[in-house]
Amino acid sequence: DVKVTQSSRYLVKRTGEKVFLECVQDMDHENMFWYRQDPGLGLRLIYFSYDVKMKEKGDIPEGYSVSREKKERFSLILESASTNQTSMYLCASRTGAGYNSPLHFGNGTRLTVT
Amino acid sequence: EDQVTQSPEALRLQEGESSSLNCSYTVSGLRGLFWYRQDPGKGPEFLFTLYSAGEEKEKERLKATLTKKESFLHITAPKPEDSATYLCAVQARGNTPLVFGKGTRLSVIA
Repeated sequence: DVKVTQSSRYLVKRTGEKVFLECVQDMDHENMFWYRQDPGLGLRLIYFSYDVKMKEKGDIPEGYSVSREKKERFSLILESASTNQTSMYLCASRTGAGYNSPLHFGNGTRLTVT
Repeated sequence: EDQVTQSPEALRLQEGESSSLNCSYTVSGLRGLFWYRQDPGKGPEFLFTLYSAGEEKEKERLKATLTKKESFLHITAPKPEDSATYLCAVQARGNTPLVFGKGTRLSVIA
């Protein structure tokens, strides 16, 4: 079974702090994704990566950056946290082969910025 | 632009009352349609992939079907433990990210 592990289930940070959300997958997947999920807005794609050292902007990249130094790890960085970044953050991965494989999600990080 | 619309937004059923959830899509070159289940406070859990019109997949009380414009998730004789949000997503041509619908929140009352 694919396992996608997000380092924290709950985080509380202050406005202006730099925040790191970590995600690790154990299935040698090429593709990794970061989403945020808010009531009424559904899943929104922040950034994704098709391979090590690669990154692509999603639909809402403003205020975020990412790092992928190793294939299994994909980090989301909030450069200066703001209250409107309070959300559930979900990491996902999939194999790059065939371009139609399902995403496998972690259990999410509930971030509160005060 | 690729789009996915799920209906209804919320559905309340009595235990044993069968029903269907709808996922309508417009996409350039469908490569796959995915159904997920999401419990409160957790990440989405993969259920099914459908690749072509006419295809069907089943798992316990759930059956997913696909046409050229929509997919249905049929729930037969649901139980309270089937209560969750069900998400639909499509994969368009090429290695592009999935496009998700906003989900249907299902409540099954004993």
